[in-house]
Amino acid sequence: DVKVTQSSRYLVKRTGEKVFLECVQDMDHENMFWYRQDPGLGLRLIYFSYDVKMKEKGDIPEGYSVSREKKERFSLILESASTNQTSMYLCASSFPAGANVLTFGAGSRLTVL
Amino acid sequence: QKEVEQNSGPLSVPEGAIASLNCTYSDRGSQSFFWYRQYSGKSPELIMSIYSNGDKEDGRFTAQLNKASQYVSLLIRDSQPSDSATYLCAVRMDSSYKLIFGSGTRLLVRP
Repeated sequence: DVKVTQSSRYLVKRTGEKVFLECVQDMDHENMFWYRQDPGLGLRLIYFSYDVKMKEKGDIPEGYSVSREKKERFSLILESASTNQTSMYLCASSFPAGANVLTFGAGSRLTVL
Repeated sequence: QKEVEQNSGPLSVPEGAIASLNCTYSDRGSQSFFWYRQYSGKSPELIMSIYSNGDKEDGRFTAQLNKASQYVSLLIRDSQPSDSATYLCAVRMDSSYKLIFGSGTRLLVRP
């Protein structure tokens, strides 16, 4: 089974802190994605990457950046956390041919105080 | 208008009944349609995909697609309490890696 592992299940940070959310997948998937999930808004795509060092903005990239230095690892960075970034963050990965079949990590619930 | 719309529910059905979950989408160019299931506190998992008009059956699940009406649905036959979850509809245009998700319908199956 594909495993997508997110390093932190729960984080509490203060406004203005720099936050790193890490995601690692073990099935050699080319595509990796970061979503955030909020009640009533569903899953919204923040960034995705289709290859090492390649990234594209999703629907809500403002306030976020990403890094993909190795194929298996995709990091989401909040340069200066704000309270409106309190959310559940979900990482996912897929093969290009099966781009619709996303395998999700368990999620990282971030609270910004 | 949201790109993918779902009734948030909860949809409550008795055990053994058919649960019908609906989804509409705004982009006529959409080609691929998916249903993900998400248990409370867990991450989404794919349960069905459908690409052409009509019905697609997989066990107790049937996905239905009507591109002319921009409508996709999921039927769950013989609903079980273990089916209680939020069901997310997702839509993709072929030219994009992006899946657009609806906000989900919460299903409750009463024993």
